[in-house]
Amino acid sequence: SQQGEEDPQALSIQEGENATMNCSYKTSINNLQWYRQNSGRGLVHLILIRSNEREKHSGRLRVTLDTSKKSSSLLITASRAADTASYFCATPTGGSYIPTFGRGTSLIVHP
Amino acid sequence: ETGVTQTPRHLVMGMTNKKSLKCEQHLGHNAMYWYKQSAKKPLELMFVYNFKEQTENNSVPSRFSPECPNSSHLFLHLHTLQPEDSALYLCASSQGSGGVYNEQFFGPGTRLTVL
Repeated sequence: SQQGEEDPQALSIQEGENATMNCSYKTSINNLQWYRQNSGRGLVHLILIRSNEREKHSGRLRVTLDTSKKSSSLLITASRAADTASYFCATPTGGSYIPTFGRGTSLIVHP
Repeated sequence: ETGVTQTPRHLVMGMTNKKSLKCEQHLGHNAMYWYKQSAKKPLELMFVYNFKEQTENNSVPSRFSPECPNSSHLFLHLHTLQPEDSALYLCASSQGSGGVYNEQFFGPGTRLTVL
């Protein structure tokens, strides 16, 4: 069953702007991961945040986690055309180690 | 690119054909996965192998048959497929049940078209 749900489904911005996408999930987790997928390619792991962490940074990426609201956000600062891709959150379901993916947010960054 | 390779990258087959997809990982992982990605649908987990044992089969039709001869190789055997099986098939690997966080590493996928 689907655990995470990204919002919005699609996002279109200009280069240089910030992009924020959100993920909501249903059951308690020990970690949440964000992945990027360029068109027709495999997914690439971006960042993992543990349940006892509230914020994590990696380059231009900033991820927050609010376990009380069962939500996470991914912020891409100073976006570039190369950031155009789909972004997915993934969380393990129940006691499983296997992450479950949402439908993703399709981000288009216009040059 | 990611240590997980898939062949072929593109496959066109008729409904009566038999073909196989191959996945290989060079990361020393113990778990391997097959996913199906169709347009406008969430990524669908098909099969999971952990230490060469199949641990998940998410109600996948029998026309899809997985094989995991060792921890580094995973196959998906296809026969008598339907046009609705056309999709991007992704292979992934991770540490498996012994790992705590299980970041997944994906291959580039096989774009399958069933005529």
